[in-house]
Amino acid sequence: KAGVTQTPRYLIKTRGQQVTLSCSPISGHRSVSWYQQTPGQGLQFLFEYFSETQRNKGNFPGRFSGRQFSNSRSEMNVSTLELGDSALYLCASTSGQGTDTQYFGPGTRLTVL
Amino acid sequence: DQQVKQNSPSLSVQEGRISILNCDYTNSMFDYFLWYKKYPAEGPTFLISISSIKDKNEDGRFTVFLNKSAKHLSLHIVPSQPGDSAVYFCAASEGSQGNLIFGKGTKLSVKP
Repeated sequence: KAGVTQTPRYLIKTRGQQVTLSCSPISGHRSVSWYQQTPGQGLQFLFEYFSETQRNKGNFPGRFSGRQFSNSRSEMNVSTLELGDSALYLCASTSGQGTDTQYFGPGTRLTVL
Repeated sequence: DQQVKQNSPSLSVQEGRISILNCDYTNSMFDYFLWYKKYPAEGPTFLISISSIKDKNEDGRFTVFLNKSAKHLSLHIVPSQPGDSAVYFCAASEGSQGNLIFGKGTKLSVKP
């Protein structure tokens, strides 16, 4: 079974721009969660999508948004990029039902200049 | 306030010996705990998990112990191998919610 895939792997943007990251979950998984990893804050939860609906949301500003498609693929969008948005963005997938293990993709390294 | 804490930023162990990584949590509603291994610029790799209804779970060289009364869990790696050198994250969740709360990680170095 293929694992979680994320595209692109690396991205360089400038302040004020917007960016869209993509995540394809493990086949059959219906839940996708997004996390941000920075040296100072560690791994922090952004949001979770299940069956095309946002089910949980972390404590991030509205510039961070996401969506999920009918095939469970998910995208994350960050608008009006700030220098502090430079991070490794990770997505993870699970079946979404009951207590289940989250399996992570390789991440997208975003650098904001 | 950190709900999941890994108080040791680093740990160095000799090859063949036991590695013990510790994790404390404050939220008594957490009922599922996981350990992940991570290399720089890669996604976390799932190692082992434990439900709050258990106090021990084993998988090969990895054993996780949960002490609910102390709100403490630990990961034991026996025997430790140089390939185990990585950052280990403890994570917790509540019910079926898809938001894992992570500790800051412990960097394990296993010396040959």
